[in-house]
Amino acid sequence: EAGVAQSPRYKIIEKRQSVAFWCNPISGHATLYWYQQILGQGPKLLIQFQNNGVVDDSQLPKDRFSAERLKGVDSTLKIQPAKLEDSAVYLCASIPAGGLAGRTGELFFGEGSRLTVL
Amino acid sequence: GNSVTQMEGPVTLSEEAFLTINCTYTATGYPSLFWYVQYPGEGLQLLLKATKADDKGSNKGFEATYRKETTSFHLEKGSVQVSDSAVYFCALSSGNTPLVFGKGTRLSVIA
Repeated sequence: EAGVAQSPRYKIIEKRQSVAFWCNPISGHATLYWYQQILGQGPKLLIQFQNNGVVDDSQLPKDRFSAERLKGVDSTLKIQPAKLEDSAVYLCASIPAGGLAGRTGELFFGEGSRLTVL
Repeated sequence: GNSVTQMEGPVTLSEEAFLTINCTYTATGYPSLFWYVQYPGEGLQLLLKATKADDKGSNKGFEATYRKETTSFHLEKGSVQVSDSAVYFCALSSGNTPLVFGKGTRLSVIA
């Protein structure tokens, strides 16, 4: 079974530029998460999708970050314009259905996309 | 709100040494507790979990016991190997809330 796919693995941009990250979850997984992991910190949830609907985006900086999952499968996370403090690893994770994370805890993570903003 | 506090790293141990990484939590309700591991160059993966008080999670020689009275979920291993070098994250979830992670503890095991 293929895992969660993310691209690009690495991206370097200058501040005020834009960047987009792509995630393809495990086939059949209805719930998709984007986490931000700043160096030296644990992952912080940015947004949660259930199929193509947003479940929780309360911690997404909406003035510069946006995310979509139009067909309920793959997802794109965009940052525009980027700031220095956006330098982080952006992690995508998926689970088969909403609510299971609380009981099983087993999120399936991709390898992440490392962003450096200069 | 829910939060997790784990010991600062990095932790450096010799092979076959005993490992403890402390984790305490604050949560409403009755959370489930988890340890995730991130090996160099790889994604986060679930190491072990416990879903109720006094449960012990175990995997790959690692253990952690859910202690409600001390709100703790310390990770232990009796004899670490070089291959255990990784970053370890304590995490919790309460009900249907997404996972909340600690800051992570980097472990380096030297031969």
